[in-house]
Amino acid sequence: QTVVTQEPSLTVSPGGTVTLTCASSTGAVTSGYYPNWFQQKPGQAPRALIYDTTNKHSWTPARFSGSLLGGKAALTLSGVQPEDEADYYCLLYFGGFRMFGGGTKLTVL
Amino acid sequence: EAQLMESGGGLVQPGGSLRLSCVASEFTFNSYNMNWVRQAPGKGLEWVSYISSSSNTIYYADSVKGRFTISRDNAKNSLYLQMSSLRAEDTAVYYCSGTFDIWGQGTMVTVSS
Repeated sequence: QTVVTQEPSLTVSPGGTVTLTCASSTGAVTSGYYPNWFQQKPGQAPRALIYDTTNKHSWTPARFSGSLLGGKAALTLSGVQPEDEADYYCLLYFGGFRMFGGGTKLTVL
Repeated sequence: EAQLMESGGGLVQPGGSLRLSCVASEFTFNSYNMNWVRQAPGKGLEWVSYISSSSNTIYYADSVKGRFTISRDNAKNSLYLQMSSLRAEDTAVYYCSGTFDIWGQGTMVTVSS
């Protein structure tokens, strides 16, 4: 059974930089898995941030960036703001199937 | 602004059925592939099902295969999820999403006796 793994929680200071990762139990994550990243705040629907590894939506703040790092998909936040405190989910495509990671709770402290 | 609005959630007994609907507005629904995603209380996101823009291609997560049916009516700008043989573990907020960049606010489904 395929599993997509994220760090359960991370803490970052305001103005700092943090990288969240997304790994697949099937092996190295490549662009062929079309990694997506989402932000979700309490009581809200998810909001798309990154698609196809590195592409930003028109509403994605410039401080968010996506990449591949060490066989994983990665989301980097540079110059973290207090409003970035949220849950973050990655999504990978396995052919026709999609699978979310378990999510990372990001605390800005 | 592109919008999706889900409806049809509620309380249902184990083994029962429910049909969720999702109506799209302010974007070209018939050119979008669509998905259903759910989130159990206090848990993470789980992809449920996918349907292509023309309904030619459909996929389901293993957890719902054989019990849930996704469909769409492009003339009505609507997406559906027919759920049957419902179990307690199907309790969740169900979101519809257009290619994962447009999301509805979700509808709650509770399976309980």
